[in-house]
Amino acid sequence: NAGVTQTPKFQVLKTGQSMTLQCAQDMNHEYMSWYRQDPGMGLRLIHYSVGAGITDQGEVPNGYNVSRSTTEDFPLRLLSAAPSQTSVYFCASSYTHLTGVISGNTIYFGEGSWLTVV
Amino acid sequence: GESVGLHLPTLSVQEGDNSIINCAYSNSASDYFIWYKQESGKGPQFIIDIRSNMDKRQGQRVTVLLNKTVKHLSLQIAATQPGDSAVYFCAELTYGGATNKLIFGTGTLLAVQP
Repeated sequence: NAGVTQTPKFQVLKTGQSMTLQCAQDMNHEYMSWYRQDPGMGLRLIHYSVGAGITDQGEVPNGYNVSRSTTEDFPLRLLSAAPSQTSVYFCASSYTHLTGVISGNTIYFGEGSWLTVV
Repeated sequence: GESVGLHLPTLSVQEGDNSIINCAYSNSASDYFIWYKQESGKGPQFIIDIRSNMDKRQGQRVTVLLNKTVKHLSLQIAATQPGDSAVYFCAELTYGGATNKLIFGTGTLLAVQP
């Protein structure tokens, strides 16, 4: 049981390049989400998904795309990287109760992906 | 990697003392409030949560208090240890229909002096 796995751990991009941050979980969680964390700040929600085939925007979705073709994977795509996207990115997943809600103690975070755009 | 915690509010306590970390939240419709601990270079770890219809919940060495009147949440850590040094975030969880949104606060750096 690996939990939530993010790759790559570190990445340097040039402005205008595109790339995909990978996130995979092996806990059969319905709910997955992506956050970015800038220095001295909390995590801000980029996109989230309540199940395969369903995605929605969070607080800061501009410049990012997501898809959810399987329960296990939730990749985050940077379409045209900008220096403002330099940040630490965290993926999270959670078990969803039959009522459709998640609870705090079932949310698991990955170790983070450090992205620098120059 | 990046260092999180720069420019964060900092609480400095002596080992063995009790710590109280505060958080103001904005959404009165939030269903759950959660405290996370984040150590340098790692993802957030769940500490404790509380439903919006409760005002107090206790765990092992931690207590969360919720005051909905003033939209205030606090985390109390008893007998603080050096291993408690980290950044602590409160988060609001709101759900409805197909939506589960977890929104984080800014964070507080807890520094435990031996």
